[in-house]
Amino acid sequence: GDSVTQMEGPVTLSEEAFLTINCTYTATGYPSLFWYVQYPGEGLQLLLKATKADDKGSNKGFEATYRKETTSFHLEKGSVQVSDSAVYFCALSDYGGSQGNLIFGKGTKLSVKP
Amino acid sequence: DSGVTQTPKHLITATGQRVTLRCSPRSGDLSVYWYQQSLDQGLQFLIQYYNGEERAKGNILERFSAQQFPDLHSELNLSSLELGDSALYFCASSQAGEYEQYFGPGTRLTVT
Repeated sequence: GDSVTQMEGPVTLSEEAFLTINCTYTATGYPSLFWYVQYPGEGLQLLLKATKADDKGSNKGFEATYRKETTSFHLEKGSVQVSDSAVYFCALSDYGGSQGNLIFGKGTKLSVKP
Repeated sequence: DSGVTQTPKHLITATGQRVTLRCSPRSGDLSVYWYQQSLDQGLQFLIQYYNGEERAKGNILERFSAQQFPDLHSELNLSSLELGDSALYFCASSQAGEYEQYFGPGTRLTVT
C-alpha cells in the first residue's frame, strides 16, 4: 500500500542554519504531496503542497519539490528561526475528487536554538 | 485558525465508557475526515464522510463509529473504551475536488 517515509528526528539546529528534512513516498497512482506542521499543543497546519511532478510548493520560506524520478518531496529552508521549532509531517493523498485521506510519515521534530 | 472547530478540547474518562467527539468543518466543505494521533501509531486515518455519506474507512475499530449530519457537522463515537484508545483525535475538512485538508485543534482523550 501507499506509504511515506521521513527522516527520524529529533533535528536540532542553530538559528539561521539550513534545514533539510527528507521525505520519500511509495504510491500506486499519482499522489499529491504535502508538508504539515504541528506546533506544541496545536493541530496540524498545512505548510505547503505540490500536486504533480516537478511542482515546487513554497510558504514562509520553506520549499519542497515533487520529484517523481526519486519519489521524494524533501523540505528545505535556507535560514531557520526559533519560531520554526515544531513537528513536521510529510503526507500524500492518492485519490482525487471526493476521496483523499492523507497518509502521513511519522513526523520529524525540529528544535531551533538561539 | 483553520476554520475547523472541535469539541471538547480535553476529555478524561474511564475504561468501558462511551464518548462523543464533535467536529464542525469549514464553511462550504463537504468532506470530513477523522484521524487518530498516538505516540506508537503516529497519525492514522479513521474514516471519511462526504455530504452525509460514509466515503472511506481506514484503521477504525468496530467499537468506533461516526456520522455526518445534514448541517455537515460530524460526530465520532468511541465506545467500550480501553487504555490504548488514549490519543489525540483530529477532524479535518476539505472542499469537493480539492486535495488539501484543514485540521481542527483536536480532542485529547485520556482513558484511565
